[in-house]
Amino acid sequence: KAGVTQTPRYLIKTRGQQVTLSCSPISGHRSVSWYQQTPGQGLQFLFEYFSETQRNKGNFPGRFSGRQFSNSRSEMNVSTLELGDSALYLCASTPGDREGLSKQYFGPGTRLTVL
Amino acid sequence: TQLLEQSPQFLSIQEGENLTVYCNSSSVFSSLQWYRQEPGEGPVLLVTVVTGGEVKKLKRLTFQFGDARKDSSLHITAAQPGDTGLYLCAGNTFEGSYIPTFGRGTSLIVHP
Repeated sequence: KAGVTQTPRYLIKTRGQQVTLSCSPISGHRSVSWYQQTPGQGLQFLFEYFSETQRNKGNFPGRFSGRQFSNSRSEMNVSTLELGDSALYLCASTPGDREGLSKQYFGPGTRLTVL
Repeated sequence: TQLLEQSPQFLSIQEGENLTVYCNSSSVFSSLQWYRQEPGEGPVLLVTVVTGGEVKKLKRLTFQFGDARKDSSLHITAAQPGDTGLYLCAGNTFEGSYIPTFGRGTSLIVHP
């Protein structure tokens, strides 16, 4: 099976712009979670989508949003970018049937730099 | 405030040495996971521990879950350069929904 893929791998934006990141889960996986990883805060959970619905949500402002399509692919959008949004954005997929206990398969991440 | 505290933050050792990485919290977790992340890649799951007091072995790696399910440790015997990476512990708390929480990680370098 192909692993989790994320596009693009690298992105440079300026403050105030918006960005959309894409994640394709492992075939058959219905849950996709998004994380932000920074040196200062580590890995922080953004949200999880399961069967096109947001199932769990972390503590991030409304500028961070996501959606999931019927083929389980997911997108994450960040509007009005701030310098502090510079980070590695990771997505992870699971089958989704064992909420909270499933093995997460991570993609390689999208490195976002905000200038 | 970080829910999961990992120590040490950095570790630089010689090949063949033993080491232990700790993951502590004041909260109870329904399960705890350990991941290893290499540069340019996403984390890869090493193990999931569920039962308090549980010990799991994966070749030279030994994982332990505390009796009260608030802490965990990872012990590596005879470390090898291939063990180099960022080790992350992660737990799930349930407050009406599952919120995965990660520690900041322990960055391990094993010198040949």
